[in-house]
Amino acid sequence: GAVVSQHPSWVICKSGTSVKIECRSLDFQATTMFWYRQFPKQSLMLMATSNEGSKATYEQGVEKDKFLINHASLTLSTLTVTSAHPEDSSFYICSARDRRVSETQYFGPGTRLLVL
Amino acid sequence: AQSVTQLDSHVSVSEGTPVLLRCNYSSSYSPSLFWYVQHPNKGLQLLLKYTSAATLVKGINGFEAEFKKSETSFHLTKPSAHMSDAAEYFCVVSFYSSASKIIFGSGTRLSIRP
Repeated sequence: GAVVSQHPSWVICKSGTSVKIECRSLDFQATTMFWYRQFPKQSLMLMATSNEGSKATYEQGVEKDKFLINHASLTLSTLTVTSAHPEDSSFYICSARDRRVSETQYFGPGTRLLVL
Repeated sequence: AQSVTQLDSHVSVSEGTPVLLRCNYSSSYSPSLFWYVQHPNKGLQLLLKYTSAATLVKGINGFEAEFKKSETSFHLTKPSAHMSDAAEYFCVVSFYSSASKIIFGSGTRLSIRP
């Protein structure tokens, strides 16, 4: 149980294009999902907290118009990197909080984004 | 202020010997504590968690951790390392006051020597 999937697992795109990453909780309902960014050999940096049916809460320094988050259902959140540039290349990881086990976050496998 | 510190950025042990990965936290509240493992280019897998029940927590793959409130520590141990344990390990703390956010340690890279 408590499986979180991400799609795609990796994506290469041209500079200026937009990329959408999906995060799904497969066997539980997640009222809250989180989006992280991880640079090589570093820890995870929280970008935003996504609550089902409401606007996402962004961390300081994260551009909300650049990283659009939508949490339309209890099992799906999406992150869209708009007008991607090479500096947006990174490993993006989502997590979902199980409503039944409130403190525990379950992580997706990550999405590797490379912007050329 | 709440924080979590992983004292070692890199730990190297021989296969078959014990593993100790250290984690200390700072908090004014009762925390929930987690250890996650990340293999290269993969997401994070939950190893174990402490949520105010038994202070000695057993996790997957033979790992366990002990919550010591007096020392504000939650060190991860395993009696005998296996080559497949080589990965990055993150100590994570959750505080009720922080609206379900969690705080990550900086990570410890575990290497296993044959």
